[in-house]
Amino acid sequence: DGGITQSPKYLFRKEGQNVTLSCEQNLNHDAMYWYRQDPGQGLRLIYYSQIVNDFQKGDIAEGYSVSREKKESFPLTVTSAQKNPTAFYLCASSVGSGYGYTFGSGTRLTVV
Amino acid sequence: QQQVKQSPQSLIVQKGGISIINCAYENTAFDYFPWYQQFPGKGPALLIAIRPDVSEKKEGRFTISFNKSAKQFSLHIMDSQPGDSATYFCAASSGPMNYGGSQGNLIFGKGTKLSVKP
Repeated sequence: DGGITQSPKYLFRKEGQNVTLSCEQNLNHDAMYWYRQDPGQGLRLIYYSQIVNDFQKGDIAEGYSVSREKKESFPLTVTSAQKNPTAFYLCASSVGSGYGYTFGSGTRLTVV
Repeated sequence: QQQVKQSPQSLIVQKGGISIINCAYENTAFDYFPWYQQFPGKGPALLIAIRPDVSEKKEGRFTISFNKSAKQFSLHIMDSQPGDSATYFCAASSGPMNYGGSQGNLIFGKGTKLSVKP
């Protein structure tokens, strides 16, 4: 079945460490997105990519980095520069930008 | 102008009642208005979507009402069930964007937490 796979489901990070969240899709979608979700804040866009080897900053990109070397994969690195990284992270993809997002099941990141 | 304002923030409805969630937008270029349903610990899933050429779209117990002149749209859940308890997000976009632009991205409301009491 086609879909988006995010891993791991839960991730714990020590302060000062970088961590990478995985996002893989087999939907043949061109566009991919990373969102951060905090209680009462809705979905905030971190980065998005319309095409392989290209990506743009979203509304809250500081402290995060991404790569898009393959169409199927869009990993997100939470760097030590992100001061408040504890959140639920969601990856999504779409055939064309703005339409019919498919979301993964999320990764819950906790700083310990 | 890119915002989508959603209300209420939370909603409690009795089983069998009607749940109504409202959203408003400013950008008249928006031409796609989806609603997403999210259960705790899961990613949002597309529930129903509408384009501005129709005023209403119904899928089972879920209906979107769209008022283009008022720049408002709403989700109605008829005969609400405890299994409908979830967070609902409205969103809007102006469709496929030019390469390098951001105008086509979905803009999400802040969400409504719905609780349906048995």
